[in-house]
Order: sequence, then structure tokens, then C-alpha cells
Amino acid sequence: AQKITQTQPGMFVQEKEAVTLDCTYDTSDPSYGLFWYKQPSSGEMIFLIYQGSYDQQNATEGRYSLNFQKARKSANLVISASQLGDSAMYFCAMRDASGAGSYQLTFGKGTKLSVIP
Amino acid sequence: GAGVSQSPSNKVTEKGKDVELRCDPISGHTALYWYRQSLGQGLEFLIYFQGNSAPDKSGLPSDRFSAERTGGSVSTLTIQRTQQEDSAVYLCASSFGGERGRPDSYEQYFGPGTRLTVT
Repeated sequence: AQKITQTQPGMFVQEKEAVTLDCTYDTSDPSYGLFWYKQPSSGEMIFLIYQGSYDQQNATEGRYSLNFQKARKSANLVISASQLGDSAMYFCAMRDASGAGSYQLTFGKGTKLSVIP
Repeated sequence: GAGVSQSPSNKVTEKGKDVELRCDPISGHTALYWYRQSLGQGLEFLIYFQGNSAPDKSGLPSDRFSAERTGGSVSTLTIQRTQQEDSAVYLCASSFGGERGRPDSYEQYFGPGTRLTVT
């Protein structure tokens, strides 16, 4: 069974500093995708970044990068140069592409990030 | 272009009543998902539609929950005889593709959700 673990219920970061949000996963499937979503107080889930299990390089999208360590089954999100607007809940999620199931996402419990001015 | 829309944005209902929640996916997206987000359970998958294939209902918590997707577009999630534990935010998402064995990104785009409160 898939499992996503986010061990940091809450994090604080100073504005303009970098922050790392942890995510570890557990799957026996060789083919999978890892996602990070941001959920501000408005409630909408916003896609940030994707990493495929066969991707050779770590994914990057603007100020977001994913530190993918396959052997350790970790997919940490790094946000550089934090901004006040980055304050939100962040969810790590995984999708199984090779099993008998469909393509639903399995989510972690989330990390609440607060950016301090 | 237009994103995923959901209606109503808020719904308050009495225990025992039936409710219908609606989702309009992004045009052209063949896959549609329903999730539920509650304080105690986090984000849970409910049901998945892909094209004309039979839906994956493996996440529905009970037979009081059902969903349909008409014409490969709009979807309705129905909860019969609502209970207080059904109170949650119901999120709909859509994406391209979904073929087995292809771990493509096909990121899911979420709607704003429907907040359901059962009193």
C-alpha cells in the first residue's frame, strides 16, 4: 500500500530565506509520480511541481525544487527566497501508475508553512 | 482558460437529507476525480472517472455515496441520508490521460471545493 509521510506539521521561515519541507513515501511499485501541492487559506489546491520515478534529474519550477532521493524514498520540497505569499499548507502526494488501481493521488497530512516578515 | 468549477461552494444540510455536489472539469480533460478533505482524515480519494471506462469507486466510504459523470464532462457526487461525519470539503480535480503504465505528470487541477456541513 502507498503511504506518504510528512513529519513536520508546521514550519516557520524568515522572508527571503530558503526552506525545506520533508516528504517520505512508501511503495513497492517501480513506476510512480510524486507531486507537491500548495493550499492557501482560500482552500484551492495549487499544483507546484512533479517528479517521476524514472526521472534522472531533480525537478525544478521557478523557486520550487524537489530534492528526490530515490534510494531513501524521499521527495523533499525546497522553496528558495521565501515570500509572504508562500504561507500555506503544503501537501506531498504520490500516484501509482503501474498497479491495478487508477490514478488517484495519495496525500500526506501536510505541512503548514508560515513565512515571517 | 476556465479552471475546474464546483457548486455549491457551501452547503448546510440536516442529518438524513440527500445532497448533490457538482463538478465542471476543465474542457478536454478526460480524467475526473473526487476527493474529500476533513480535519481528522486529511485528503482522501473517493472516486475516479476516465473517459468511457467504468469508474474506480474504491474510495467511496459507504453505499450512501455515489457519483456519475454525464457525457464525459460534468460530474455529480450524491450523498444520501447524510451523517455528521460526512461534514468535510469535497474537492474535484481533472487531468489529461491516465493510461496504465505511463507515469506521466498529468497533474491534477483542483476546483475550489464544496464545504458540506451536516447539522
